Amino acid sequence: DTEVTQTPKHLVMGMTNKKSLKCEQHMGHRAMYWYKQKAKKPPELMFVYSYEKLSINESVPSRFSPECPNSSLLNLHLHALQPEDSALYLCASSPLGSGRNTGELFFGEGSRLTVL
Amino acid sequence: DAKTTQPPSMDCAEGRAANLPCNHSTISGNEYVYWYRQIHSQGPQYIIHGLKNNETNEMASLIITEDRKSSTLILPHATLRDTAVYYCIVRVVGGSEKLVFGKGMKLTVNP
Repeated sequence: DTEVTQTPKHLVMGMTNKKSLKCEQHMGHRAMYWYKQKAKKPPELMFVYSYEKLSINESVPSRFSPECPNSSLLNLHLHALQPEDSALYLCASSPLGSGRNTGELFFGEGSRLTVL
Repeated sequence: DAKTTQPPSMDCAEGRAANLPCNHSTISGNEYVYWYRQIHSQGPQYIIHGLKNNETNEMASLIITEDRKSSTLILPHATLRDTAVYYCIVRVVGGSEKLVFGKGMKLTVNP
């Protein structure tokens, strides 16, 4: 299994809603990432988890709350979002550990979020 | 991360080789050159990476200049499905360092 699976593929939410994006991989990767991508722009890094611990937060607003409950799952909890947060949210994973870490990231297909 | 410079766009005829250039004049000795591509509405896809030697896999070849200040990704026989945005990225390997995307280059393969 070489896939990173993201759900839902599409999400529409109001500014007062609470929702979550989910990412799952079964490749034994111990680094997981969230990226945000606006239309016609490159992906922007949001968070990095390493061995289930948050290692990088790119000054993301607190209305985005990541969670890594185990080595296979990564969630992004959304609360009180703004219309400008509408974007494609991409999850990625990569192996860690000597001999395994080629630096390659495996990306999911993304969750397209629309905030009304 | 060291920055990279790519032309914003390039066209290529189907069946011909596509040579995608990238400049990375401030690359450090421990930084690798990575290439990813993103087909419309899909997640980015890893293509190839290298340190200083030329590399080849089933998708492409990577040619890195001797001074490592530039590289070229070669798609030997471009197809319509190769139309995508191609990102050249430099980063160290080890741990969970950031993978930071630049603006990339839009390759359009024409029939």
